[in-house]
Amino acid sequence: DQQVKQNSPSLSVQEGRISILNCDYTNSMFDYFLWYKKYPAEGPTFLISISSIKDKNEDGRFTVFLNKSAKHLSLHIVPSQPGDSAVYFCAARPSSNTGKLIFGQGTTLQVKP
Amino acid sequence: DGGITQSPKYLFRKEGQNVTLSCEQNLNHDAMYWYRQDPGQGLRLIYYSQIVNDFQKGDIAEGYSVSREKKESFPLTVTSAQKNPTAFYLCASSVPGQGYRATEAFFGQGTRLTVV
Repeated sequence: DQQVKQNSPSLSVQEGRISILNCDYTNSMFDYFLWYKKYPAEGPTFLISISSIKDKNEDGRFTVFLNKSAKHLSLHIVPSQPGDSAVYFCAARPSSNTGKLIFGQGTTLQVKP
Repeated sequence: DGGITQSPKYLFRKEGQNVTLSCEQNLNHDAMYWYRQDPGQGLRLIYYSQIVNDFQKGDIAEGYSVSREKKESFPLTVTSAQKNPTAFYLCASSVPGQGYRATEAFFGQGTRLTVV
């Protein structure tokens, strides 16, 4: 039972354009959502997060949007840079507050110069 | 510098052997986690611990064991009962959030385990 889904395994965009990565979830009890960036053979690094009481959070070139009614979140990167090329994971935290995170399968982003 | 250290980075194990992966953190975090990454499957939770001397099974705990004798350390043992142990293992730690004051989990650099 995949509670957090990233249906696009890969995405390719041109440098300077917008990258939009999508994530869907099924559990309405998730109260916190996070995006992580991961390079090969390294651990994921935290990128940006949003709580379920908000619908948007922005940090520099990165913006996360949350649509609770659709159980959908997205990460926008604008403008995209070649250094953004990595695997992006969305993650959700159950409101049980254990701190554990449920991860999606990841989307590989390639930003072409 | 504060962080999470996993060792070794690469590990080879013969079938039928147990092997222990090390995870140490100096972030003073209460909670620690072990995840496994397989191609196309994202990160799946193996075990987690919120306080010393206490831990809970995650989604794929079968064939694994952990201990949490010290706040800083959360070693993972991959036993011979784990049928497909070859994977990338990631350790993480966090300060469990209270309500909406959640903080993110910090990850180590991972250990690539290969069964030969």
